[in-house]
This record gives sequence, structure tokens and C-alpha cells, in this order.
Amino acid sequence: SQTIHQWPATLVQPVGSPLSLECTVEGTSNPNLYWYRQAAGRGLQLLFYSVGIGQISSEVPQNLSASRPQDRQFILSSKKLLLSDSGFYLCAWSPGSAPLHFGNGTRLTVT
Amino acid sequence: DQQVKQNSPSLSVQEGRISILNCDYTNSMFDYFLWYKKYPAEGPTFLISISSIKDKNEDGRFTVFLNKSAKHLSLHIVPSQPGDSAVYFCAASANRVSGGYQKVTFGTGTKLQVIP
Repeated sequence: SQTIHQWPATLVQPVGSPLSLECTVEGTSNPNLYWYRQAAGRGLQLLFYSVGIGQISSEVPQNLSASRPQDRQFILSSKKLLLSDSGFYLCAWSPGSAPLHFGNGTRLTVT
Repeated sequence: DQQVKQNSPSLSVQEGRISILNCDYTNSMFDYFLWYKKYPAEGPTFLISISSIKDKNEDGRFTVFLNKSAKHLSLHIVPSQPGDSAVYFCAASANRVSGGYQKVTFGTGTKLQVIP
């Protein structure tokens, strides 16, 4: 069966520090991969999606970037965190157009 | 611009009764709708979906109703159980292409509490 791993579960980082969140999927090949963010009191906002290695599309302009160095690995990064980057970050995958499957998320607090 | 709206942030229901969670959308291009359930400290899990060619889809205790003319969908849980207590997200997508990525727009969620 397919599983998705996302780490760390919680992270507290100072303003201006870098960020790297990693997500891996097991049990499938060539999945579509997604990064979502949930800010307080808001819905899940799509940040990035990827349909293949090295193929990244951004949905909103922001302080973050994403990379897909391997088929089942998706990384969310920032060179310098802002206070507004605080939130709950979720990685997800889908086999094509089927419903998304989410990881357990990372609670990021920028102080 | 919130294209998918869940106007009730919370809902309390007695165990055994029906829970009705509502969702409204504004984008008439949406043709596929989903409900996700989320427990604290976990990611959302897919619950049930409905295509715009249908007006009802049922899976055990969960039924989703779609009213396209009103741009409204609802999730019914009957009977409600304490384990159903979670945040429920409504979501929608348009022009799903087989094998392609899908842009899913989520609502803000409704926190359901089922009281034993």
C-alpha cells in the first residue's frame, strides 16, 4: 500500500533562518505531488504541485520554493523565513486525478 | 476570493443523531466535489466525493448531496458517532484530466463535535 511521510512534525524557526521540509511517498511511482499550507482560520491553500521529477509549478507568489529531486521526494524550502510563513504545511500525493492523500503535516512557527 | 465556503466554523450534535455539514461554492466550473476529515495533528483524509453529473452519493453512514443550481453541497452523517468528531473540509475541483494534476480548492473547515 502507499504511504506518505512528512517531517518534522513541528518546527520553530527564527525570522530570517532557512527552511527545509521533506516529504516522501512509498508504494507508488510517478505520483503527482503537492504542498499545501493552512494558515490560522483559513482553508488549505495550494502552494506548489509537481507532475514529475524537476517539474514544479507555483500557485501563489511567495517566499517559498519547492523541488522534486527524485520521483517520490518533494521538498519545500525557504532561504529566509518571514513571520507570515508560520502555518501548517501539508504534503499530498495523488495517482493522477484521484483524490489527494495527505501527510500528517508540519506545524511551522516563525518567531 | 474564497471560492469554497463553509460558513459554520463549528457544529455540535448528539450521538446517534444526524450531522449535516454545509458547503457553498461560487465557481460554476467546479465539477467534482470532495469531503475530507481531519483529526488534530494529522493530515486530512479523503471521505467521500461526488461528480457534478450526480446529485447524491452514499457510502455507509456518509451521504453527500449536490445542488448545482444553488451551488451547494452537504454532507450527512447518520448516525453520528463520537469518533466522527473532527474538522471536515469541503473541496472542489474543475476539469479533472485523467493522469493530470488537479487543482483542488478547499473550504475553511467545520469542526464537528459529537457529544456522547
